[in-house]
Amino acid sequence: EVELVESGGGLVQPGGSLKLSCAASGFIFSGSVIHWVRQASGKGLEWVGQIGTERSGHATGYLASVKGRFTISRDESKNTAYLQMDSLTIEDTAVYFCTRHIPGHGIGSNWFDPWGQGTLVTVSS
Amino acid sequence: QSALTQAASVSGSPGQSITISCTGTSSDVGRYNYVSWYQQHPGKAPKLIIYDVSNRPSGVSNRFSGSKSGSTASLTISGLQAADEADYYCMSYTTSDTWVFGGGTKLTVL
Repeated sequence: EVELVESGGGLVQPGGSLKLSCAASGFIFSGSVIHWVRQASGKGLEWVGQIGTERSGHATGYLASVKGRFTISRDESKNTAYLQMDSLTIEDTAVYFCTRHIPGHGIGSNWFDPWGQGTLVTVSS
Repeated sequence: QSALTQAASVSGSPGQSITISCTGTSSDVGRYNYVSWYQQHPGKAPKLIIYDVSNRPSGVSNRFSGSKSGSTASLTISGLQAADEADYYCMSYTTSDTWVFGGGTKLTVL
């Protein structure tokens, strides 16, 4: 069964740091692009960033508001992706999901499946 | 990158059909024929229900269908059931090599 499991969420003070993990199983992790998506309470989904495979040199991309503060990485030996979050603000409070990128057959053809259950990050003093 | 535009809520009675629209720009929905849709029940992870505008993953009911015209994509749910009550999100790749979601539509089955 294809599965993603996030962990590492918790309470952190403004300006603090937190590192989330996304453990994958049931598929070839090394061949899959992984995305992070967040959802503030009562709000919609917001794409946070992505990390590519070794073929792309593990290229990363980020939402403008987190660029320079968040870093996505991966460890193929552990089938795990990470989201390092620094200089956290109250606006970063959300449930963070990781999800697998599925490429289609054309430029721009892609979708996310499956999704992990999410991990809650609360930034508060 | 602004969120794609979706109505905040829609409702319908069991057995009826409803349509949720998702409007973007020439940099996302209007540029690519590759919109996907996700269903999210309260407290749960999103679930893929439509990809590449109109394709259903294995296991998703054929009561769910999708289409697109210009910069607006649409999700139609026919034969509404109580279990369909959830939030629905559209998503598109963008010309900035980022991804953008719609603001979400809450479906209420009356």
